Amino acid sequence: AQSVAQPEDQVNVAEGNPLTVKCTYSVSGNPYLFWYVQYPNRGLQFLLKYITGDNLVKGSYGFEAEFNKSQTSFHLKKPSALVSDSALYFCAVRDPTSGGSYIPTFGRGTSLIVHP
Amino acid sequence: GAVVSQHPSRVICKSGTSVKIECRSLDFQATTMFWYRQFPKKSLMLMATSNEGSKATYEQGVEKDKFLINHASLTLSTLTVTSAHPEDSSFYICSASGGLAERSYNEQFFGPGTRLTVL
Repeated sequence: AQSVAQPEDQVNVAEGNPLTVKCTYSVSGNPYLFWYVQYPNRGLQFLLKYITGDNLVKGSYGFEAEFNKSQTSFHLKKPSALVSDSALYFCAVRDPTSGGSYIPTFGRGTSLIVHP
Repeated sequence: GAVVSQHPSRVICKSGTSVKIECRSLDFQATTMFWYRQFPKKSLMLMATSNEGSKATYEQGVEKDKFLINHASLTLSTLTVTSAHPEDSSFYICSASGGLAERSYNEQFFGPGTRLTVL
């Protein structure tokens, strides 16, 4: 079975400071990992994904995420937060092995609030 | 990236009526479409997965007869909320994925969502 956890309901950060939104996962094999962002009353937008290769993945809007297999984590990061980054962030995992589900599992979401 | 549209973006209806929500993939063929319901506390609940030309697969606890899903073509899926009640009021989001989903590592492309309010 696959699962994903976003341990923080909300993250607060001052504009200009680095931000981290945490995500941990559980799969039987090697995971496919995704980050999405949702602005108010909108659908989700894809930010970045890890499939294979370099552990550090760069995505849209200056975001990046680091795949850490030993810690089963895929934390989302940005060196300098903007007020416009305030939104809801979802981590998702898929287990591509034969026993896994092709349907991704989403975390419960983390509200990021960037203060001016 | 690929574009997915949803229509209508907002609908208000009376209790007992049926509401149809359309989800279209505008520039790619969506082999698989997903329907989600998002609650006020923000979590996404997967309602069903539909593959073009076949019956939708519903998640446990989702009433098939109440939430009718049709995926008649590679670019269109519809969700019909039948005999809607106030507790069905929610934000419904569709997403689409191209290629063979079982082997696909593609990301999902989400529609902008439909806000349903049942009076």
